[in-house]
Amino acid sequence: AQSVAQPEDQVNVAEGNPLTVKCTYSVSGNPYLFWYVQYPNRGLQFLLKYITGDNLVKGSYGFEAEFNKSQTSFHLKKPSALVSDSALYFCAVRPDTGRRALTFGSGTRLQVQP
Amino acid sequence: DAEITQSPRHKITETGRQVTLACHQTWNHNNMFWYRQDLGHGLRLIHYSYGVQDTNKGEVSDGYSVSRSNTEDLPLTLESAASSQTSVYFCASSESSGALYEQYFGPGTRLTVT
Repeated sequence: AQSVAQPEDQVNVAEGNPLTVKCTYSVSGNPYLFWYVQYPNRGLQFLLKYITGDNLVKGSYGFEAEFNKSQTSFHLKKPSALVSDSALYFCAVRPDTGRRALTFGSGTRLQVQP
Repeated sequence: DAEITQSPRHKITETGRQVTLACHQTWNHNNMFWYRQDLGHGLRLIHYSYGVQDTNKGEVSDGYSVSRSNTEDLPLTLESAASSQTSVYFCASSESSGALYEQYFGPGTRLTVT
């Protein structure tokens, strides 16, 4: 069975500073990895994904994530945080074969201070 | 534009009642999923479907059922609502093939069981 760990319940960062939201995973076979963002009282919005190829993946709103197979990690990053980035972020994984449903982490709340 | 909708957006029901949450997508996706979101747990998979007449149980399927009679709809039924089923419910859909794989989420249904 697959699993995702997001070790930080909350990340605080000042506007303009770089941000990192951590994610590690466990899955049988090759992983398909995803980041989603959730704003208050809204559904989840897709940010970016890693399927195969380049380990550095670029996504929406200036976010990027680095796939590290040896460390089984897929950390979300942004060079310069905005107050509007404040939201709940979820990492998710599924195997490349078999069940197509996602397994989600528990979420990390990002708070960007002006 | 294609979309995924859920109804109702808010529902209050009593313990023991049967409740059905609707999910409708116009993406023409074969894969559809139901998740519940609870604080500290992220999103957990209830049921999923890979196509018409196909349904499968997820990790937290007890007390829930689904049916898939067409491509567009996957209604979720709580057979006899319990207070433990108070949660926010999200429906999602995705492509079956190609390199897309990301899931598109509906806006959610907030269910309260009293």
